[in-house]
Amino acid sequence: SQTIHQWPATLVQPVGSPLSLECTVEGTSNPNLYWYRQAAGRGLQLLFYSVGIGQISSEVPQNLSASRPQDRQFILSSKKLLLSDSGFYLCAWKGSNEKLFFGSGTQLSVL
Amino acid sequence: GQNIDQPTEMTATEGAIVQINCTYQTSGFNGLFWYQQHAGEAPTFLSYNVLDGLEEKGRFSSFLSRSKGYSYLLLKELQMKDSASYLCAVRPSSTDSWGKLQFGAGTQVVVTP
Repeated sequence: SQTIHQWPATLVQPVGSPLSLECTVEGTSNPNLYWYRQAAGRGLQLLFYSVGIGQISSEVPQNLSASRPQDRQFILSSKKLLLSDSGFYLCAWKGSNEKLFFGSGTQLSVL
Repeated sequence: GQNIDQPTEMTATEGAIVQINCTYQTSGFNGLFWYQQHAGEAPTFLSYNVLDGLEEKGRFSSFLSRSKGYSYLLLKELQMKDSASYLCAVRPSSTDSWGKLQFGAGTQVVVTP
């Protein structure tokens, strides 16, 4: 069966510091992968999606970037965090029946 | 632009029924999803509607009217564990096979004893 792993679960970072969040999927090949962010009191916002290795599409202009170095690995990064980058970050993959399956999320606090 | 509206919060007592409405205005439509999200956790899939009508799954049912841009999630025989945020999401495009979803802000359901 397919599983999705995301880490770390929580992260507290100072403004201006770098960021790297990792997501890996097991039990499937060539998955469509997504990074969503959920700010307090707001809906999930799609940040990036990827349909294959090295293929990244950005949905909104922002301070973040994404990379897909391997088929089942999706990384969210920043060189210098802003206060506005705080939020709950969720990695997801799309199953064949149109469902999105989410990782457990990373709560990022930028101070 | 895309607009998905649902109430911010609803309160109901254990054993009761609650209906969460969702209205949407999107550039296209290719399916509507409902997810449940407990605080601090990832959303989990509840239902998917692409045709008009009612889909029933145990205590949870979801309804869709494409002509009205409207859906509801019905939770019956409420239990304390149903206290959570319920997210309405629309897949706008039928040509986009990449599964991008537009989410509403979520409805916080509070179940009281």
